[in-house]
Amino acid sequence: AQSVTQLGSHVSVSEGALVLLRCNYSSSVPPYLFWYVQYPNQGLQLLLKYTSAATLVKGINGFEAEFKKSETSFHLTKPSAHMSDAAEYFCAVSDSSASKIIFGSGTRLSIRP
Amino acid sequence: KAGVTQTPRYLIKTRGQQVTLSCSPISGHRSVSWYQQTPGQGLQFLFEYFSETQRNKGNFPGRFSGRQFSNSRSEMNVSTLELGDSALYLCASSLNRGVPYNEQFFGPGTRLTVL
Repeated sequence: AQSVTQLGSHVSVSEGALVLLRCNYSSSVPPYLFWYVQYPNQGLQLLLKYTSAATLVKGINGFEAEFKKSETSFHLTKPSAHMSDAAEYFCAVSDSSASKIIFGSGTRLSIRP
Repeated sequence: KAGVTQTPRYLIKTRGQQVTLSCSPISGHRSVSWYQQTPGQGLQFLFEYFSETQRNKGNFPGRFSGRQFSNSRSEMNVSTLELGDSALYLCASSLNRGVPYNEQFFGPGTRLTVL
């Protein structure tokens, strides 16, 4: 069965600092991996997705993620945090039908001024 | 192009009642999936509909049901509400199904409170 594990339910960084949100996946087949962001009282927005075309995936709002098969990881990073990045971030994997998404438990990102 | 819309946005019900939530997908999208989000269980897949047929189902009791209409709009129904059904219910639509890296677009959700 496919699953993702997010390390750290809450991460706090200073404005301008590096953002690193960790995600490890478990999959017996090549995974379809995603990162979503959820702002308060809103739905989910796709940040980026792993398509196997490249191990380093660039997304919206300056975020990127690197797929490391040897470590079964898909960590999300952003070089310089902005106050507007404060939100909850979900790592996710979809099944082969690509219609059922399995989400991690989420990481709440706080930005300190 | 308009995004996924969900109605109502907020709903308050009492235990034992039933509720129907509605989802209108992005125009042209044929697949609609539903998710339940709670603080304790996180985001969990409920079911997926495509071409008016349920194609995939999560691990929820039979009190949770849904349907899809010919215009791809979808409804989900919860009967005999329990306190634990209080949650944010998210609907997501996608163009097709079975396509790798199929992107799902989420609506803002319906916040259901059961008293």
